[in-house]
Amino acid sequence: ETGVTQTPRHLVMGMTNKKSLKCEQHLGHNAMYWYKQSAKKPLELMFVYNFKEQTENNSVPSRFSPECPNSSHLFLHLHTLQPEDSALYLCASQFLGGTYGYTFGSGTRLTVV
Amino acid sequence: GQQVMQIPQYQHVQEGEDFTTYCNSSTTLSNIQWYKQRPGGHPVFLIQLVKSGEVKKQKRLTFQFGEAKKNSSLHITATQTTDVGTYFCAGLNAGGTSYGKLTFGQGTILTVHP
Repeated sequence: ETGVTQTPRHLVMGMTNKKSLKCEQHLGHNAMYWYKQSAKKPLELMFVYNFKEQTENNSVPSRFSPECPNSSHLFLHLHTLQPEDSALYLCASQFLGGTYGYTFGSGTRLTVV
Repeated sequence: GQQVMQIPQYQHVQEGEDFTTYCNSSTTLSNIQWYKQRPGGHPVFLIQLVKSGEVKKQKRLTFQFGEAKKNSSLHITATQTTDVGTYFCAGLNAGGTSYGKLTFGQGTILTVHP
């Protein structure tokens, strides 16, 4: 356990499905992030939430929709995805102003068929 | 936008040999962080460097931050099989508008042959 819990761990979905990824942390962190990790590519920042407010949308297609209802929870809603969206989706949290880096969750391995 | 380049992409070593990965940013950084991701795992925070020219050690790992705060390196002395994984650097842009937002390098995949 990392302190950041992501569910589900694995997800297979069709291109017409709607699903949601969940991230939860009770570390007292005030910033949360969604990253996409594809094979042979750097970690790609998708969304940033500082103090529950979305401060960054890194040119992510609208088929990905984030939601941050409170500082402990973060969702990524998925709809009409493409096969190239298959990847490991990582949630991370951080206490802004601290000296420690991101705490990552274990990720959701997403396969779009 | 900011880019963080990391070399080499792959490194294969015999157990006991040393290993170094290098990180270069296109812009001046406020700080740089290093992460390790074991095969099948998730990135785990190792260390953060903030000061120009800073050097920090964690047992066999030595981390350096360049004087210009645009480059960094991670050196492992006498590698062990437990060092296997991907090492990422991640930079926080100086003067960035998104506080806490990191840009990751593409990582160096280290394999260690026993």
